[in-house]
Amino acid sequence: AQTVTQSQPEMSVQEAETVTLSCTYDTSESDYYLFWYKQPPSRQMILVIRQEAYKQQNATENRFSVNFQKAAKSFSLKISDSQLGDAAMYFCAYRGGGADGLTFGKGTHLIIQP
Amino acid sequence: DGGITQSPKYLFRKEGQNVTLSCEQNLNHDAMYWYRQDPGQGLRLIYYSQIVNDFQKGDIAEGYSVSREKKESFPLTVTSAQKNPTAFYLCASSIQGQRNSPLHFGNGTRLTVT
Repeated sequence: AQTVTQSQPEMSVQEAETVTLSCTYDTSESDYYLFWYKQPPSRQMILVIRQEAYKQQNATENRFSVNFQKAAKSFSLKISDSQLGDAAMYFCAYRGGGADGLTFGKGTHLIIQP
Repeated sequence: DGGITQSPKYLFRKEGQNVTLSCEQNLNHDAMYWYRQDPGQGLRLIYYSQIVNDFQKGDIAEGYSVSREKKESFPLTVTSAQKNPTAFYLCASSIQGQRNSPLHFGNGTRLTVT
């Protein structure tokens, strides 16, 4: 079974600074997809960014980008110019060849210091 | 607007009672999922369904049951056999067969059993 590990239970960053959230995963598959979700205090799950494993180019969505290292099985999320609205739980998730949806990490609580 | 509706937002039950959580989607998605979220545990898969009248157990199915009589609806019953039912429950859906398709989530139901 695949596992997703987020080693940082909590991170803190100053407003306007850059922060990187770590995620590693374990899989024997070669074709898979990786996602980052944001869960603000409202508890709504919001898709931040996705990455296809077959693509070498790192995905980018405005201030959010990933550093995908397939050989190392690492998928970190970089948030540039952090804003107060970025404060949330962030979950890394894996989707492989099965039909059973996503496997999630335990999450990182991101705090933005004004 | 298309989306997933979970109701109610908060649910209270006495120990020993079964309770059913509602999940309805109008996204025309074939695949639907139920996740449980506990503090520090991330999201864990309870049940999933790829098509009407078919569903599969996830990682923590014990004490839960589901039905999928309509494409739009995927209710979850928390039975008295579930030892620790108090949790936040999230329903999700996605396009079947497209692994790069993200999961779309409802707003969740907070269940408290005393």
